[in-house]
Amino acid sequence: DARVTQTPRHKVTEMGQEVTMRCQPILGHNTVFWYRQTMMQGLELLAYFRNRAPLDDSGMPKDRFSAEMPDATLATLKIQPSEPRDSAVYFCASGPRTGPKETQYFGPGTRLLVL
Amino acid sequence: RKEVEQDPGPFNVPEGATVAFNCTYSNSASQSFFWYRQDCRKEPKLLMSVYSSGNEDGRFTAQLNRASQYISLLIRDSKLSDSATYLCVVGRQAGTALIFGKGTTLSVSS
Repeated sequence: DARVTQTPRHKVTEMGQEVTMRCQPILGHNTVFWYRQTMMQGLELLAYFRNRAPLDDSGMPKDRFSAEMPDATLATLKIQPSEPRDSAVYFCASGPRTGPKETQYFGPGTRLLVL
Repeated sequence: RKEVEQDPGPFNVPEGATVAFNCTYSNSASQSFFWYRQDCRKEPKLLMSVYSSGNEDGRFTAQLNRASQYISLLIRDSKLSDSATYLCVVGRQAGTALIFGKGTTLSVSS
């Protein structure tokens, strides 16, 4: 049963520290998404990649967030420096490009708390 | 205005009840439509796709009205295990990011 994996599952850090979140998409999926979920805003897209190339990162605060795909099996989301308002659940999702109405499969998320 | 709007609820219903959720979307160019389910402290999971002709999966029926830009989900004979948040989701085109509503919370009690 193929799944998206994310590490760490939980992260508590202090304001100003660097946070790195990792995602392993489902093998064969060529589209990878980063979302952030908070009570106030719901699920928001931060960035997404197709074939490892960034396609849209307009939802991401550029001054502190960065997203990369160093290879097809790894996507990273970094926050530097972190702030308390970054506290949220960060989900990675991957999707195949096999037709007009494909869906996305979510990882379990990284729960981030910035103190 | 949010691109996908849902009534946040919560909807509190007894077992066996029929409950309906509604959703509206603002982008008329949207091409794909879904309902996702999210359990407490879990990731969203696809419940069902929504087609223009309407579609049914067991106790769940989804409808799409493109003219009104309106999506609905009907759950019949509610079970305790249906308690979750239901997310209305819209996609603009294949392989692009999905736009999520904030979700409607359902609580089914015995």
